[in-house]
Amino acid sequence: DTAVSQTPKYLVTQMGNDKSIKCEQNLGHDTMYWYKQDSKKFLKIMFSYNNKELIINETVPNRFSPKSPDKAHLNLHINSLELGDSAVYFCASSHRTVQETQYFGPGTRLLVL
Amino acid sequence: AQKITQTQPGMFVQEKEAVTLDCTYDTSDPSYGLFWYKQPSSGEMIFLIYQGSYDQQNATEGRYSLNFQKARKSANLVISASQLGDSAMYFCAMRVQTSYDKVIFGPGTSLSVIP
Repeated sequence: DTAVSQTPKYLVTQMGNDKSIKCEQNLGHDTMYWYKQDSKKFLKIMFSYNNKELIINETVPNRFSPKSPDKAHLNLHINSLELGDSAVYFCASSHRTVQETQYFGPGTRLLVL
Repeated sequence: AQKITQTQPGMFVQEKEAVTLDCTYDTSDPSYGLFWYKQPSSGEMIFLIYQGSYDQQNATEGRYSLNFQKARKSANLVISASQLGDSAMYFCAMRVQTSYDKVIFGPGTSLSVIP
């Protein structure tokens, strides 16, 4: 059973296009996240949602828009893709307490040409 | 400000030897959690071990143990009896009570196990 799943696993697209990444978790967690991992492997949080409500929105361009239809799903839509958006995007989920571990999806490798 | 520092960008260890990956953290929060994740070349993020700020004993999970020194604000990961499959990036991370929706990650340490 997959705990946190993401689709697609790979995404290659042209500059200027709009694309979406989907994430689903079946762990019963109340909080979901999007992270971006750059080419130097640095992992940075982008968004955090708790029970479909946006909690954290780091300094991310407004071309990135998360949407949470229910607490098991958190999708990421990216408008007008730029070369610098090329990265690995990870979805994660956890319960909303300091002791709780975040569990990650397999990642989506986005390449913008 | 909360911060995680991993000062070893790359490490080598001989197979079957033990290795320590360093992690120091900075927070003024009294309640926090410390985590280690492994990222092999296949890319997935795998949770390894957790240490709570109020835990009296160091955490252990199989071959992984966490050397928690609260006064020094360090949470080093010790891997015993290294295996070739341990070659990966290792990330130290922290979650604090006042902003527990956010997990801060260190820059990672790349570990290579030599046969």
